[in-house]
Amino acid sequence: DAGVTQSPTHLIKTRGQQVTLRCSPKSGHDTVSWYQQALGQEPQFIFQYYEEEERQRGNFPDRFSGHQFPNYSSELNVNALLLGDSALYLCASSLGLAGGASETQYFGPGTRLLVL
Amino acid sequence: DQQVKQNSPSLSVQEGRISILNCDYTNSMFDYFLWYKKYPAEGPTFLISISSIKDKNEDGRFTVFLNKSAKHLSLHIVPSQPGDSAVYFCAASLVTGKLIFGQGTELSVKP
Repeated sequence: DAGVTQSPTHLIKTRGQQVTLRCSPKSGHDTVSWYQQALGQEPQFIFQYYEEEERQRGNFPDRFSGHQFPNYSSELNVNALLLGDSALYLCASSLGLAGGASETQYFGPGTRLLVL
Repeated sequence: DQQVKQNSPSLSVQEGRISILNCDYTNSMFDYFLWYKKYPAEGPTFLISISSIKDKNEDGRFTVFLNKSAKHLSLHIVPSQPGDSAVYFCAASLVTGKLIFGQGTELSVKP
């Protein structure tokens, strides 16, 4: 049973560029959440996708956008990269339940983004 | 405003002894609490969780206790092993599923 997978593992970009990160959820999961973890900090919630729609969003600017596909995989896009966007980007998947009941989120290995 | 707090940045324990990691929260609407273990440059690994309607959940060497009146939860690891050395994050969830993490506690288990 494959867990959450993310690609690429590492990425180096320059300021002003755009980046796309990809995530495939754990088998059977339909909800994908994205988090940003800066060095030495805790993960911060970016947004969550369920049924191909953004269900909830954290305190991140519009430069951060996402998408969920019919097979539940997801992309995170970041435009106009800043030095401060350098971080580990984590994808987590879970099983969305009717009524919005909380479920355990399982994390992928992350994508390490370095902005120069 | 830090809604989930882990006030101990680090903890050192002797192998075979108990490790107790603590976490405090401020939002009484949190309905689900989780503990994750994390190594540098890797994703968090789920350890154990507890619903707000329970006060204890046990899984092998790991036990989580929830004290809702004190808005406090703790993770007990017994017996501690050197392989348990990592950063431990507690996280709290609202009904919508957004996780809010504490700052983490680095556990070091010495042989």
